Amino acid sequence: SQQGEEDPQALSIQEGENATMNCSYKTSINNLQWYRQNSGRGLVHLILIRSNEREKHSGRLRVTLDTSKKSSSLLITASRAADTASYFCAYPSSGGSYIPTFGRGTSLIVHP
Amino acid sequence: ETGVTQTPRHLVMGMTNKKSLKCEQHLGHNAMYWYKQSAKKPLELMFVYSLEERVENNSVPSRFSPECPNSSHLFLHLHTLQPEDSALYLCASSQEPTYNSPLHFGNGTRLTVT
Repeated sequence: SQQGEEDPQALSIQEGENATMNCSYKTSINNLQWYRQNSGRGLVHLILIRSNEREKHSGRLRVTLDTSKKSSSLLITASRAADTASYFCAYPSSGGSYIPTFGRGTSLIVHP
Repeated sequence: ETGVTQTPRHLVMGMTNKKSLKCEQHLGHNAMYWYKQSAKKPLELMFVYSLEERVENNSVPSRFSPECPNSSHLFLHLHTLQPEDSALYLCASSQEPTYNSPLHFGNGTRLTVT
């Protein structure tokens, strides 16, 4: 399988704390994407980081990318109960693929 | 509010039924996708259409039959399904069928096969 993994599979924190999720992948990429899914809903695109970028910010989100380790992390700072959702990274299923493949996701619960 | 609308939201069908899932995108995108999301499994890509032409068919059983009559509409026709086909079926669209184009998802159809 060319699918990587998100880590941890589940994360439970208190409101105001930071949440960090990691993604490992196996293919060569030109970018990596993060998505969020609220329970019973579709996925929502959060952020795209290109292979020549090491870090990218969007509001309370910070994404890092280490292509040498084939890993990425998503940090949510000052979490809120509304951040409760599953978070997925997406990357090409193979070096030449143009179709995003999703990991299993990290389920985040933020307690008020 | 999503630019991709899926109907119905919920569907219960017997194994001998024939039903169809519908997806409509209002974003002017050129590519549309069907994904299957089962409990405790990664999203599985089923089909990709680019400008109404199927460009990817990910070894999906023939009991699933896609149809893309125009770039705004996508259907998934279901016939003699199995209980293991119960899942959330997600439609998505993107500007182009390239990895650089983020996907926009609908809210899915929750399918239960009895």
